[in-house]
Amino acid sequence: ETGVTQSPTHLIKTRGQQVTLRCSSQSGHNTVSWYQQALGQGPQFIFQYYREEENGRGNFPPRFSGLQFPNYSSELNVNALELDDSALYLCASSPYAGVNTGELFFGEGSRLTVL
Amino acid sequence: GQSLEQPSEVTAVEGAIVQINCTYQTSGFYGLSWYQQHDGGAPTFLSYNALDGLEETGRFSSFLSRSDSYGYLLLQELQMKDSASYFCAVRSSSGGYNKLIFGAGTRLAVHP
Repeated sequence: ETGVTQSPTHLIKTRGQQVTLRCSSQSGHNTVSWYQQALGQGPQFIFQYYREEENGRGNFPPRFSGLQFPNYSSELNVNALELDDSALYLCASSPYAGVNTGELFFGEGSRLTVL
Repeated sequence: GQSLEQPSEVTAVEGAIVQINCTYQTSGFYGLSWYQQHDGGAPTFLSYNALDGLEETGRFSSFLSRSDSYGYLLLQELQMKDSASYFCAVRSSSGGYNKLIFGAGTRLAVHP
């Protein structure tokens, strides 16, 4: 069983640029959540996708957007990058019922540095 | 709004027992989860409590009191490999949808 995979693992961008991060969910999982984790902090909920529809969003501006594809893989797009966007971006998948157990399966994350 | 509070750091010695507390404020509460994260690694699920009481999984136990909006993670027979950050997370329907909201984490250092 393949776990959650994310790409790229590390990337460096400059202010104002755009970035796309990718996530392949675990086999059989149809729900994907994205989190932002700043150094020394807990993961902050960005949004969640279920069957290709966004069904929940945290306190992030519209320049954070996403997609979920028919195979349940997902993308996180961030436009007009700011220095504060530097963080580890975590993707987590679950079978929808998995949300009812509080268990998410996380990928290793994409480390974004904005200069 | 939603908030979770947990100690920022805890230190213990090998073989000891440590308890990490978590208090929370949220509407639409379903349950409390605990995750472990080693430096540079992904958060990994440890336990989930939806009902009051103690859940035991090997050396780790988790407790929930819904009336007190309080829970804790108990780690017994500490090992060096338990040095990591531990996060409590509430599953909540606040805002009309299910989501998992994390605390800021407790960094556990286990010493010989």
